Amino acid sequence: QKEVEQNSGPLSVPEGAIASLNCTYSDRGSQSFFWYRQYSGKSPELIMSIYSNGDKEDGRFTAQLNKASQYVSLLIRDSQPSDSATYLCAVKPGSGAGSYQLTFGKGTKLSVIP
Amino acid sequence: KAGVTQTPRYLIKTRGQQVTLSCSPISGHRSVSWYQQTPGQGLQFLFEYFSETQRNKGNFPGRFSGRQFSNSRSEMNVSTLELGDSALYLCASSWTGGDQPQHFGDGTRLSIL
Repeated sequence: QKEVEQNSGPLSVPEGAIASLNCTYSDRGSQSFFWYRQYSGKSPELIMSIYSNGDKEDGRFTAQLNKASQYVSLLIRDSQPSDSATYLCAVKPGSGAGSYQLTFGKGTKLSVIP
Repeated sequence: KAGVTQTPRYLIKTRGQQVTLSCSPISGHRSVSWYQQTPGQGLQFLFEYFSETQRNKGNFPGRFSGRQFSNSRSEMNVSTLELGDSALYLCASSWTGGDQPQHFGDGTRLSIL
C-alpha cells in the first residue's frame, strides 16, 4: 500500500514567519511530487511540482525533495494570513501499476496569525 | 483558457438512487482523473481515463464507474447510493497523465439523505 504521510496540524505561525510543511512517502520508485493548497470549501490548487533532488523556488514558495530519505517539504517565506489553508502533498510513481494516479496525504492545516 | 468544469456543483440524492457527474477537462488535456474527498479519508483516487480507456482504478466498489468520450469529457456514475457516498467528488485533468501536474475542477458536492 503506497502511503503519503503528513502532520495534520494545525500548524500555527505568525505573519511574516517561515512555515515549514513536511511529507514522507513509502514508494521508493516515486518520481513526481506536487504540493496543492486547498482553502476551506474549495478545490485543490497546484502550488509547486518537483521531480529532482534539491530545492525548487517559486516566489515565496520553496519545495525541497530528498528521494534517498523519501521526504519532500514545502517552505513558505513571509507567511501571510491569506496562506491559511490546508496543504496537500501528492506523489506519483514512475512506472508500474498505479503510475497514472496521484496518492495524496491527508494534508496539513496551516494557520497564519496576524 | 478555461479550467476544468464539473457539473453539477451540488446534488442531493436518497439512498438507493444513482447519480451521474460530468467533467470537461482543460482544452487539450486528454487525461482525466476522478477523486473522492471526505473529511475522514482525505482525497482518494477513483479512476483515470485517457483516450477513452481506463488505465487505473482505485479501491472502490463496482458501484463506482466511469467513462470518457472522444472529446475527452468524462462522466462518473455511482449506482445504489449509500449514506457513505456523501462526499466532494473532484475531477482533475492533465495533458497525458504522465509527469505533468493535474489541475482540479471545483468539484461536485454529493449529499445522500
